Amino acid sequence: GAGVSQSPSNKVTEKGKDVELRCDPISGHTALYWYRQSLGQGLEFLIYFQGNSAPDKSGLPSDRFSAERTGGSVSTLTIQRTQQEDSAVYLCASSPWKGANQPQHFGDGTRLSIL
Amino acid sequence: GQQLNQSPQSMFIQEGEDVSMNCTSSSIFNTWLWYKQEPGEGPVLLIALYKAGELTSNGRLTAQFGITRKDSFLNISASIPSDVGIYFCAGRPNNDMRFGAGTRLTVKP
Repeated sequence: GAGVSQSPSNKVTEKGKDVELRCDPISGHTALYWYRQSLGQGLEFLIYFQGNSAPDKSGLPSDRFSAERTGGSVSTLTIQRTQQEDSAVYLCASSPWKGANQPQHFGDGTRLSIL
Repeated sequence: GQQLNQSPQSMFIQEGEDVSMNCTSSSIFNTWLWYKQEPGEGPVLLIALYKAGELTSNGRLTAQFGITRKDSFLNISASIPSDVGIYFCAGRPNNDMRFGAGTRLTVKP
């Protein structure tokens, strides 16, 4: 497709389970970002990938969170041993490169609910 | 945590009224962006600003990059019901992106 694609769009799981969220960036975009948005709040930066460089993980809230980007394209965000405070919308964005003048294009997010 | 202070948090206006919202930062930004988010969707870019003092319009929307590089505003003229949503400012202090907490706009017909 033409835009950033995220799946699943909704995920409900029990506390303590692991979850994987997927992001397909726009073709050719080398920069990829993950954000978390709690209900009624702004976007909280989690992690970004730029080409083959080491990812910037400075926003990950705990070691239960990790992300991979395979082949410079698709990315998965993994949350282990989920807790109720992990409930949020997880947004992925991509841009052509991580330069200062490149706006990000967002997917529609994955709404994660931890019971 | 957030480095941007966005205000107001919410606005309830009558259709046809003009709207103004702004963001301030404690640090200098190289880029200011304004996004709109509707329920169940990701943020969509409205306007991007790249130079201090820059004033850019997109239809009924106008945004400015403050001279001090620490603030930006977004104006919406003659609001219509489809303007409803949450508006986010975002800025790049260097190569990172920071978002404001959003302004929730409600337009009454």
